[in-house]
Amino acid sequence: DAKTTQPPSMDCAEGRAANLPCNHSTISGNEYVYWYRQIHSQGPQYIIHGLKNNETNEMASLIITEDRKSSTLILPHATLRDTAVYYCIVRGDNYGQNFVFGPGTRLSVLP
Amino acid sequence: GAVVSQHPSRVICKSGTSVKIECRSLDFQATTMFWYRQFPKQSLMLMATSNEGSKATYEQGVEKDKFLINHASLTLSTLTVTSAHPEDSSFYICSARDLAEQYFGPGTRLTVT
Repeated sequence: DAKTTQPPSMDCAEGRAANLPCNHSTISGNEYVYWYRQIHSQGPQYIIHGLKNNETNEMASLIITEDRKSSTLILPHATLRDTAVYYCIVRGDNYGQNFVFGPGTRLSVLP
Repeated sequence: GAVVSQHPSRVICKSGTSVKIECRSLDFQATTMFWYRQFPKQSLMLMATSNEGSKATYEQGVEKDKFLINHASLTLSTLTVTSAHPEDSSFYICSARDLAEQYFGPGTRLTVT
């Protein structure tokens, strides 16, 4: 079973920041938080991942709470092309562990 | 970033026939490959994990004799759906892992008529 809880859907206005929350209250010390997204009928696309520090790349920012029990993915200026299902996944760093996908959050960016 | 390709991108086959889906890591060697299945409006479900040169490990409820996985090289894994039925119609996604990260393919849409 997935170790994360996400809202099933969210809307965001085009050009505004999209903040997608994720709860992972049972995360253990060696587990990373990964975010992927899936645009309709495509494979999952990597966005960002982190352990305990906040992370930023060209796509998004990841804010992880100090107790690591929750995190927020931030798309700073959402566009229509960001409409997708966003998956928050917790995975350990042991080689061979796979990704367990929950239902994710369906983000709709509205014009 | 690393690229994983799948072929074909979509395939239609008749009930009772077999269909093979290829997954290739284009610019890295994948010691482990994963096969997922995704039904409409559902999330990805892991079917099996394969390591190069050894037998695949199947998840509970996935029939190993129906979904044949071959991981003969560090850059190629194949999934063969044998005696396909309409309920096997799904989106099949492979994923390949090198020593550091895991990368996903674009998926293959299988329709069994």
